[in-house]
Amino acid sequence: DAGVIQSPRHEVTEMGQEVTLRCKPISGHNSLFWYRQTMMRGLELLIYFNNNVPIDDSGMPEDRFSAKMPNASFSTLKIQPSEPRDSAVYFCASSPDSSGNTIYFGEGSWLTVV
Amino acid sequence: QKEVEQDPGPLSVPEGAIVSLNCTYSNSAFQYFMWYRQYSRKGPELLMYTYSSGNKEDGRFTAQVDKSSKYISLFIRDSQPSDSATYLCAMKDTNAGKSTFGDGTTLTVKP
Repeated sequence: DAGVIQSPRHEVTEMGQEVTLRCKPISGHNSLFWYRQTMMRGLELLIYFNNNVPIDDSGMPEDRFSAKMPNASFSTLKIQPSEPRDSAVYFCASSPDSSGNTIYFGEGSWLTVV
Repeated sequence: QKEVEQDPGPLSVPEGAIVSLNCTYSNSAFQYFMWYRQYSRKGPELLMYTYSSGNKEDGRFTAQVDKSSKYISLFIRDSQPSDSATYLCAMKDTNAGKSTFGDGTTLTVKP
C-alpha cells in the first residue's frame, strides 16, 4: 500500500513568494495532520482535520498560513507570503481514526525560503 | 517549561548494547504514549504505542510507562547499527486527536 504522499519533496523559493505544499493521505484514513519540524522547535502540530473538517488549527503560526482539505484524498498547506523563518520540513501525516493514536507520516517537504 | 522533555543526546553505544531512551512529561491528562523512529531525511515512523501505565514488548523493543512518575522509557535490546536514528516520544490525552512530541534523542549504534 502507498503511504502518505507529499509534494514537492524539496522547494527553494524567494521571500514573498507563495508556497503550496500538497498531501495525499493513506486511503481510508480519516484524520490528517500537518506538522512542521525545525532544529530549534522540534516537531510542531500546525493543524489537523477529521473527516475533512479542520478540528484544531491553534498551531498555525499566523495568517500567512492556511490549510485546506477539499476531499478525503487531498490536502494543501499554503504559505503566502513566505518568509525565511518558514524554512523547515513540513510533514503531512494521516491516521485511520479520529483518535490520532497511530499516525503515519509522509517523507516531508523540505522548504527553504531565501 | 515544555510539556514533554526528552534528552537530545547524542547517545552512542556499541552494537549489542541495551539502549534506554526516556521522556518526562508534566500533563497528567496524557493517557496514550507513543515512540517514533526517524531516520535521517525521512518522516517519523511509529514504533510502539501504549495506553496508560505498564509495559509493552515488541521484538527487541520494550516500552514502559510510569504514570505516577510521569516518565516513559523505550528499551532496545541487542542494538544494531540499523537502529541508528532519532527517537521521538509522543503522548496525548483521551480527547484530542493531536499528539505532543518530545524533541527526540539521536542514537548511534557503532558496529
